[in-house]
Amino acid sequence: NAGVTQTPKFQVLKTGQSMTLQCAQDMNHNSMYWYRQDPGMGLRLIYYSASEGTTDKGEVPNGYNVSRLNKREFSLRLESAAPSQTSVYFCASSPQGGPNYGYTFGSGTRLTVV
Amino acid sequence: SQELEQSPQSLIVQEGKNLTINCTSSKTLYGLYWYKQKYGEGLIFLMMLQKGGEEKSHEKITAKLDEKKQQSSLHITASQPSHAGIYLCGAGLRKAAGNKLTFGGGTRVLVKP
Repeated sequence: NAGVTQTPKFQVLKTGQSMTLQCAQDMNHNSMYWYRQDPGMGLRLIYYSASEGTTDKGEVPNGYNVSRLNKREFSLRLESAAPSQTSVYFCASSPQGGPNYGYTFGSGTRLTVV
Repeated sequence: SQELEQSPQSLIVQEGKNLTINCTSSKTLYGLYWYKQKYGEGLIFLMMLQKGGEEKSHEKITAKLDEKKQQSSLHITASQPSHAGIYLCGAGLRKAAGNKLTFGGGTRVLVKP
C-alpha cells in the first residue's frame, strides 16, 4: 500500500543510548517532516526537509539530528536519549512546498526512554 | 500559549447527538487542515479549508473556516462510535513558511453507545 512507513513501531531506550528512527514514503513527495506528539501539546515539528538535499530545524530540534538520504527516506537520530524525549514520533510527507497540500502521516513510533 | 488552540480538550457525547470542535488561531491562517487520529494510530486527513467562509462536508462531518475570526469549526452530526478518536487541526501560520503546519493540542472525542 502506498504511504509513509515508519520503523520501528515501538522502542525502549536507556538514558544515553542512541537510535535512528526510519521513515520512507513511496508517493514521490518532495517534502518530509518529523513531529513529536506529547499529551495535551498536539504535534510539534522537530525537523523538516522541503526537498531532497535540504533540511531545516523546526520548533523543537534540540537533541535530534536528521538525514534526508534520498527523495524517499528521511531519518531522525537521537544521539544521546533523555527521558524528556519519551514521546510518539510521526513522520509525514507532502507533495511540495506551500500551505496548500495536506500531509500523509506514518503510523508513528512510540519511544520510551528510561 | 499555543498558536492554535482547540476546544474543548475532550468531550463525551451520546451516540446520535451532534458535536462541535473549535480551532482558533492567534495568527492569520494560510490553509486549515483537520485530521483524525484513532487511539495508538497515525493521523488521517479529513478536510482542508483555504478561503474565508469556505465550508466542506464529508459524510456526517462538516468543517467551516471563518477567516476574519481566524477560526475553524468541525461539526459532526448524529455521532456514531466510529467517530471516536482525537481530532487535530493544523494550519500554515506563515505565508512564506513553505508547507510547515502548526497543530493544535487535539480534542479527544468519546461516543457513548
